[in-house]
Order: sequence, then structure tokens, then C-alpha cells
Amino acid sequence: AQSVTQLDSHVSVSEGTPVLLRCNYSSSYSPSLFWYVQHPNKGLQLLLKYTSAATLVKGINGFEAEFKKSETSFHLTKPSAHMSDAAEYFCVVSVSTGGFKTIFGAGTRLFVKA
Amino acid sequence: NAGVTQTPKFQVLKTGQSMTLQCAQDMNHEYMSWYRQDPGMGLRLIHYSVGAGITDQGEVPNGYNVSRSTTEDFPLRLLSAAPSQTSVYFCASSLVPGRTEAFFGQGTRLTVV
Repeated sequence: AQSVTQLDSHVSVSEGTPVLLRCNYSSSYSPSLFWYVQHPNKGLQLLLKYTSAATLVKGINGFEAEFKKSETSFHLTKPSAHMSDAAEYFCVVSVSTGGFKTIFGAGTRLFVKA
Repeated sequence: NAGVTQTPKFQVLKTGQSMTLQCAQDMNHEYMSWYRQDPGMGLRLIHYSVGAGITDQGEVPNGYNVSRSTTEDFPLRLLSAAPSQTSVYFCASSLVPGRTEAFFGQGTRLTVV
């Protein structure tokens, strides 16, 4: 069975400080992993994805994530938060097993303080 | 750059009414899907389609119907609206499901009173 857990429902950081959004997954198969961002009243936009290539994945807007198989984690980081990063972030796991299954995490809302 | 277009953006329905949420994409993607987003629950898959004429149920299909007569369009029908269907609905499309980027519409905020 597949599952994804975003460990924090809310994260608050000050502008210019690092961002860490945590995601753990469970999968019986080799997963593809994604992070999406959703700004208020908007659709979701892909930040980055891991599909069994390099374990350190760089995305848009300075975000990156590292796939750690031993820890079953795919945490999202950014060295320096910007006010425009305030949004909701979703970790997503997908597996192909003949068919495929995609599961969204519950989301982490990021607040950025001036 | 239209991408995925959803209409309407907002809708209020009375219990028991029916309606259709429209979704169109111009990227020639075979795979399209409908999700609902509820607070604290992420996105849950309602129905999906792997090509024209082929649809299947997702995680929460009850109370919804879909059809796929063309590659571009994937409408979602609410048969008899219930307050439990108050949610934000997103349509998405992708080239290879689960492997490539999913492109999302702007969402439809539906309230059932």
C-alpha cells in the first residue's frame, strides 16, 4: 500500500531564513515523488519531481528536495524564504503497478513573516 | 498558453440540483482527472480518464459522473447535489500519469446549500 504523510500542517518562517517542509512516504514499489505549490485561490503548480534519476532534485524558485530511500523521506527545502513563498505545499507519491496510483499529502501551509 | 481551463469558477447549488463542471485542455494529453480538495485532506481523486471513451472511478466517485467523448474535454456531472459535495474541484491533465507533471485548472468552488 502507498501513503504519504506531511509532518507539519503549518510552518512559519521569517523572510530570509531557511524553509524545511517534511514529507515521508510509504510504498511497496519504486515511487515517483512530486512537490506542488498552491497559491491562494489558484490551481496547483509543479515545484519539482523525482522519478528515479538523481536523488537531489532542484525545482523552480530556488526549492530543492532530496529523495532518501533509507528514511523514506522527500523533504522540501529552500535556503532563504521570500514573502512570495507563502502558499500551501503538497507532497505527492505515485506508483506504477500495471495501472498507477497517485496519493496527495494533506498539505503544509507555509507562512512567511516580514 | 491556455493549458487546463475550468468553468465556472464559483457555483452555488441547492440540494438536489444537478450541474456540470466543464474542463478542457489544449495539450493533447490522454490522461485527465478530477479531484476534490477539502481542508486538511489534500486532493482526492474522483474520476479519471486515460483517453477518449475510457473512464474509471477514483477514490471518491459516489454522486459524480464523467464522460470523455474527445481528448480535449472531460466534464464532471453532479447528479443530485448534496451539502457533502461542497468543496473545491480541480481538473488536471498529464502526458504520462504518475510520471510527468500534472497541469491543473484554476478550480471551481462549489457550495451546496
